[in-house]
Amino acid sequence: QVHLPQWGAGLLKPSETLSLTCAVYGGTFRGYYWSWVRQSPGKGLEWIGEINHSGTTNYNPSLKSRVTISRDMAKNQFSLQLRSLTAADTAIYYCARAPVLGGKDAWGLGTTVIVS
Amino acid sequence: DIQMTQSPSSLSASVGDRVTITCRASQGINDYLAWYQQKPGKVPNLLIYGASTLQSGVPSRFSGSGSGTHFTLTISSLQPEDVATYYCQKYDSAPRTFGQGTRLEI
Repeated sequence: QVHLPQWGAGLLKPSETLSLTCAVYGGTFRGYYWSWVRQSPGKGLEWIGEINHSGTTNYNPSLKSRVTISRDMAKNQFSLQLRSLTAADTAIYYCARAPVLGGKDAWGLGTTVIVS
Repeated sequence: DIQMTQSPSSLSASVGDRVTITCRASQGINDYLAWYQQKPGKVPNLLIYGASTLQSGVPSRFSGSGSGTHFTLTISSLQPEDVATYYCQKYDSAPRTFGQGTRLEI
């Protein structure tokens, strides 16, 4: 059973950079896309982007200019950086796993990020 | 980019009712569609992938159908624990967009 603990700073100021990391326990990096999803207060789910084991990334066009997703295969971790934060980036940020052609079948517990 | 539109945005039904939620894609996505359930304050949970394949452990009262641009999630007999918001998501290609969600109340 894969387990995705995640961590990172929860209170940031406007213009700062959000950095979150998600570890992968009990599973392999290969064969999956490793994603970030966020949910603003009272709103729906927003796909941020993803990375696979070879380092190929895909990003939401609305966030692409500010986002970087990276992975550390040695540590079995992947990370999210979101730059030039504004209050609109206040949200719960989730990491998640998806098979190459499948739904997200494992999720982290989420990290609440407040930009103020 | 392909847009995903769910209807209705919210609905109220009674225990035992048959409930159907619709998801439409602005372009064809074959059957590369997933459905998620998110209970209040909880992490989203995968219900269905491949438009109609039930994820392991999901009760059989949940079912999915559709292909191309029109998809449905059906709960055959609504239970109190099904109170949640339901989301569809396309995964044929990036961006892997979610629908806006359907809030289901008893």
